[in-house]
Amino acid sequence: EPEVTQTPSHQVTQMGQEVILRCVPISNHLYFYWYRQILGQKVEFLVSFYNNEISEKSEIFDDQFSVERPDGSNFTLKIRSTKLEDSAMYFCASNWDRGRQYFGPGTRLTVT
Amino acid sequence: KQEVTQIPAALSVPEGENLVLNCSFTDSAIYNLQWFRQDPGKGLTSLLLIQSSQREQTSGRLNASLDKSSGRSTLYIAASQPGDSATYLCAATYNTDKLIFGTGTRLQVFP
Repeated sequence: EPEVTQTPSHQVTQMGQEVILRCVPISNHLYFYWYRQILGQKVEFLVSFYNNEISEKSEIFDDQFSVERPDGSNFTLKIRSTKLEDSAMYFCASNWDRGRQYFGPGTRLTVT
Repeated sequence: KQEVTQIPAALSVPEGENLVLNCSFTDSAIYNLQWFRQDPGKGLTSLLLIQSSQREQTSGRLNASLDKSSGRSTLYIAASQPGDSATYLCAATYNTDKLIFGTGTRLQVFP
């Protein structure tokens, strides 16, 4: 069964550094999402992306965040200047019909 | 404000028991509701999705129901097994694709 994949599984970075989290959605999917989960807290929506544009973004998704689909398979989340509070698990998700969302295994981001 | 809550936060049951997990949402104009399983340190596995026009969905030993008028969904797990131990999350969508998650119920099934 096709799966959403994410790399790396764990990223450690220093405060102020840029990070890029990578996702490969399921191949025929059209809608793409990023969520995050701070340890012990709810999963929170960050951004949705369709037809090479952001469809919706949350208050968390400020100017430090950006998303891109650089080719036909990858979907990336960039954080320009990381803060300690960006430490979280970041999940990518995708679907083809705006129904059930399929999640990747996540990237654990640790900012020191 | 659209919020999703789950009670209880944790549940421990002996193997073989049938159990019900609860999910409440504040806005009844729900588009769909999805149940997920999350194992420690892992991603989210989609279990069931119920559209707003549906009352329930079944997959194997799992049955999820949706009652929009009362703002509730339940996940019923029949004949629980130790392998069912995980955190179960419900999430609602409204007029956009954004999933609004509850805090989850941590389930432990002991032999």
